[in-house]
Amino acid sequence: KAGVTQTPRYLIKTRGQQVTLSCSPISGHRSVSWYQQTPGQGLQFLFEYFSETQRNKGNFPGRFSGRQFSNSRSEMNVSTLELGDSALYLCASSLESPRQHGYTFGSGTRLTVV
Amino acid sequence: LAKTTQPISMDSYEGQEVNITCSHNNIATNDYITWYQQFPSQGPRFIIQGYKTKVKNEVASLFIPADRKSSTLSLPRVSLSDTAVYYCLVGDPMDTGRRALTFGSGTRLQVQP
Repeated sequence: KAGVTQTPRYLIKTRGQQVTLSCSPISGHRSVSWYQQTPGQGLQFLFEYFSETQRNKGNFPGRFSGRQFSNSRSEMNVSTLELGDSALYLCASSLESPRQHGYTFGSGTRLTVV
Repeated sequence: LAKTTQPISMDSYEGQEVNITCSHNNIATNDYITWYQQFPSQGPRFIIQGYKTKVKNEVASLFIPADRKSSTLSLPRVSLSDTAVYYCLVGDPMDTGRRALTFGSGTRLQVQP
């Protein structure tokens, strides 16, 4: 079956702009989480959505937001981009309980802010 | 969330068995131990998850002692393609209120020919 699909794979934006990243989870997975990975901070949790509702949120400023659609696809948006937002953004999907199989991650979107 | 401690890096040779130990002294009763593998510029990949004793699948084994304060990921007969970062995570997958995965620094495994 198809894995978690993230688009686009690469993105270059200018400071001050905004960006929208997309994630299509595995069919049947209703939980979608987003993570930011940087060399300095490692993997950090952004937020989790389940059935179109944000269920958990990490410690990121309000410039980072997300949403989930009725088909479980999710988008995250970053407004007023800063140089420090350059990172690999990863999406992970899971069944209601990730026990036994854990989370399935996509290959990520590499965002570069110049 | 229970904090985990792993070695920063390990070196091995092809064909050897590699054991990566993770310490999690503050593990809670409902917490499970999960290991992920990550290659550069890819998302982490679920390897194995366990609660106690021993769990085995087609790629790895997970050993958890009775006190559950540590766990060991065992990779049999590693190959060059096993060169990656390995993360140990501890948490309760049924706790929907804190479903964030907390990744530590991981262990960078380098397999030499």
